[in-house]
Amino acid sequence: SAVISQKPSRDICQRGTSLTIQCQVDSQVTMMFWYRQQPGQSLTLIATANQGSEATYESGFVIDKFPISRPNLTFSTLTVSNMSPEDSSIYLCSVEGTGGDAYEQYFGPGTRLTVT
Amino acid sequence: AQSVTQLGSHVSVSEGALVLLRCNYSSSVPPYLFWYVQYPNQGLQLLLKYTSAATLVKGINGFEAEFKKSETSFHLTKPSAHMSDAAEYFCAVSGRGNLIFGKGTKLSVKP
Repeated sequence: SAVISQKPSRDICQRGTSLTIQCQVDSQVTMMFWYRQQPGQSLTLIATANQGSEATYESGFVIDKFPISRPNLTFSTLTVSNMSPEDSSIYLCSVEGTGGDAYEQYFGPGTRLTVT
Repeated sequence: AQSVTQLGSHVSVSEGALVLLRCNYSSSVPPYLFWYVQYPNQGLQLLLKYTSAATLVKGINGFEAEFKKSETSFHLTKPSAHMSDAAEYFCAVSGRGNLIFGKGTKLSVKP
């Protein structure tokens, strides 16, 4: 398994500003994922981030709104740009298991974002 | 395309009673299936997974799930609920390298 940390754990931001969320993993991983969990809802994949290549975004999510960096095999950031109250959500990063744990994902604790 | 349907957004049981959370999946290929639990104000924790080995899968905290291909189901059970089981439970199927989640079932446990 992998241990994942996220910063910040929560934040309250004003509309029109941007917030960068950091995700750190305790081991090297190829694929990292960013999910959004809107209040009372399930998880929706925003994008998949592979080290050394551009992130792949899911339908409904665009790079200008959610730019992602993946500078090395243990770290990634997600920026929520030009925020509106509709961006209030929990943002979670995850990584894929390796070896016998392949296909499952391990999740960070999440970043709880409130936009006012 | 793959999808997951969780029947019942909210399930309430008494402490000591059987827990049954329902999950049905749709997949064009043999699926990998997962149950995750989310405690209040926390991230997701893997409970158990099915990856085409034994159809009855045992997980942490006394939970287990049975893969039934004929019913396209992967229901989660626990013989005796504990107060600490109160949480939200998500069923997921493995897609194109990512997970596709159901809408979640919130489990309440009454004393």
